Amino acid sequence: GQQLNQSPQSMFIQEGEDVSMNCTSSSIFNTWLWYKQDPGEGPVLLIALYKAGELTSNGRLTAQFGITRKDSFLNISASIPSDVGIYFCAGQENYGQNFVFGPGTRLSVLP
Amino acid sequence: DGGITQSPKYLFRKEGQNVTLSCEQNLNHDAMYWYRQDPGQGLRLIYYSQIVNDFQKGDIAEGYSVSREKKESFPLTVTSAQKNPTAFYLCASSTGQGVYYGYTFGSGTRLTVV
Repeated sequence: GQQLNQSPQSMFIQEGEDVSMNCTSSSIFNTWLWYKQDPGEGPVLLIALYKAGELTSNGRLTAQFGITRKDSFLNISASIPSDVGIYFCAGQENYGQNFVFGPGTRLSVLP
Repeated sequence: DGGITQSPKYLFRKEGQNVTLSCEQNLNHDAMYWYRQDPGQGLRLIYYSQIVNDFQKGDIAEGYSVSREKKESFPLTVTSAQKNPTAFYLCASSTGQGVYYGYTFGSGTRLTVV
């Protein structure tokens, strides 16, 4: 089946730094989602993207739907300790199909 | 408040036993899903159901079974045929048309075989 790649796999940053991560696919997607998972909890939807080139913000988070439709990017500005967790991307090739999830980027924020 | 509830939060099973994980939602969502999460890996789809009394296998259905007798409920049974059941299990739901809108997840059940 389809696979998504996320990079980096993990990252350690200082509090206050900006963070960038991305997600790539071998297939063209119609929809990209970004989720955050806190330890021991279920993922929570952060941002949804529906068309190529779209740039959407949610507080300090900004995500973009790549113009090739095969990638998406998530940026976090001025990181804080509660940003710690695993960030998953998910893509949908055609409307109505199940989403495919990436393996996640594990973020650690050092005080 | 509407949401999706998984129980129990932690579950211990002896080898050779079947166990059932509960998932209930009051979001009036048509579709429900079960995912398995192993350390360092993404979410792998076990089973999904788009309407009551109907469900389909996902990528890793072997050793698992489900039922969908009510719209609100989608229990997952981990059978003794599942060779490596220790994992974190996540249930999710979405509106029927709106797989487009993504999934709402429960808080998960951590299953450990002892």
